[in-house]
Amino acid sequence: DTEVTQTPKHLVMGMTNKKSLKCEQHMGHRAMYWYKQKAKKPPELMFVYSYEKLSINESVPSRFSPECPNSSLLNLHLHALQPEDSALYLCASSQVAEYPNTEAFFGQGTRLTVV
Amino acid sequence: GENVEQHPSTLSVQEGDSAVIKCTYSDSASNYFPWYKQELGKRPQLIIDIRSNVGEKKDQRIAVTLNKTAKHFSLHITETQPEDSAVYFCAAPNPGGKLIFGQGTELSVKP
Repeated sequence: DTEVTQTPKHLVMGMTNKKSLKCEQHMGHRAMYWYKQKAKKPPELMFVYSYEKLSINESVPSRFSPECPNSSLLNLHLHALQPEDSALYLCASSQVAEYPNTEAFFGQGTRLTVV
Repeated sequence: GENVEQHPSTLSVQEGDSAVIKCTYSDSASNYFPWYKQELGKRPQLIIDIRSNVGEKKDQRIAVTLNKTAKHFSLHITETQPEDSAVYFCAAPNPGGKLIFGQGTELSVKP
């Protein structure tokens, strides 16, 4: 199984809502990532979890809260988002996060619209 | 930290022609260079990667070349087909597990 599965595929939420994005992989990977991607731009790293511990937070606003319940699951909790947070949110995983990196597998993403 | 520059930002070719996309990187310690293809509305997918112990790698119509001295690597697509149309991203890692992406190249293959 070389899949990274993300749910939901699409999400529309109001600025006062609380929602969560979910990501799952069963490849035994110990590094998991959240990226944000705007149209025709490269993915921007938000968070890195290595062995279930948060290792990188790219100065992401606190309205985004990551969680790694176990080595296969990664969540991104959303609260009080702004319209400019509308984007494609991509989860990825790789064998390890230590340099040098190995192949990162991306999920199909959650298309988030904040209204 | 690592900085990755990618050119061109858009590329239009006729079906059957070759396409070349170039990237430069700044961190001389980088030694893994993946290329991702992203079709409209879909996830980035790895199409080929190269490690610094080789200068070239080929997979059917796709090849990647690496010049460590000059710190640049290139993607070559031969005999392009309309289904090659997509945005292509190069990337290079920095210490700590952060994959730095280039700005992307929008490739259009005209039938």
